[in-house]
Amino acid sequence: KQEVTQIPAALSVPEGENLVLNCSFTDSAIYNLQWFRQDPGKGLTSLLLIQSSQREQTSGRLNASLDKSSGRSTLYIAASQPGDSATYLCAVIKGAVTGANSKLTFGKGITLSVRP
Amino acid sequence: KAGVTQTPRYLIKTRGQQVTLSCSPISGHRSVSWYQQTPGQGLQFLFEYFSETQRNKGNFPGRFSGRQFSNSRSEMNVSTLELGDSALYLCASTGQGYEQYFGPGTRLTVT
Repeated sequence: KQEVTQIPAALSVPEGENLVLNCSFTDSAIYNLQWFRQDPGKGLTSLLLIQSSQREQTSGRLNASLDKSSGRSTLYIAASQPGDSATYLCAVIKGAVTGANSKLTFGKGITLSVRP
Repeated sequence: KAGVTQTPRYLIKTRGQQVTLSCSPISGHRSVSWYQQTPGQGLQFLFEYFSETQRNKGNFPGRFSGRQFSNSRSEMNVSTLELGDSALYLCASTGQGYEQYFGPGTRLTVT
């Protein structure tokens, strides 16, 4: 059974700091990994999707890496801003011989607070 | 392109009642998945529908059911509501490369 872990559960940093959020998963047979952002009481916003054959993806100040063999992904946020304060979740989709299905297995998320 | 929409956004129900939530996926997406989010359990997969067929099911009791229509819109139903069903219910539609796009959610409160 796939398990996704995100540690720590919460993080507080001063504005301007570069930071790394970690995600680990137990079953390396994944189809892809997706990072999301969730603001309080809201839905999930997709940040980055990494296919299992890729090593990293970048979007603006965000960079996500994937090491399937070790079961790890990191989300790097450059020059953090107060507007980055949110909960960040990673999720994986299981791969299969016949393709994938759409079931995401989520970590519990990391609540980030960026102090002005 | 319009995003995933969910209605209603908020619901208050009493124990024992039933509730129906609706989700419209992004135009052209044929797969819709449902998730329950609670502070204690996090995000848990309920089920997935593809072309009007349930393709995948999570570990929830039979009180939770769903369906999908020919236009890909989906509904989920919870019967005999319990206090523990209070949660944010999220639906997602599946795009290229199995990228998931989520709606704003329906906040269900059971009293």
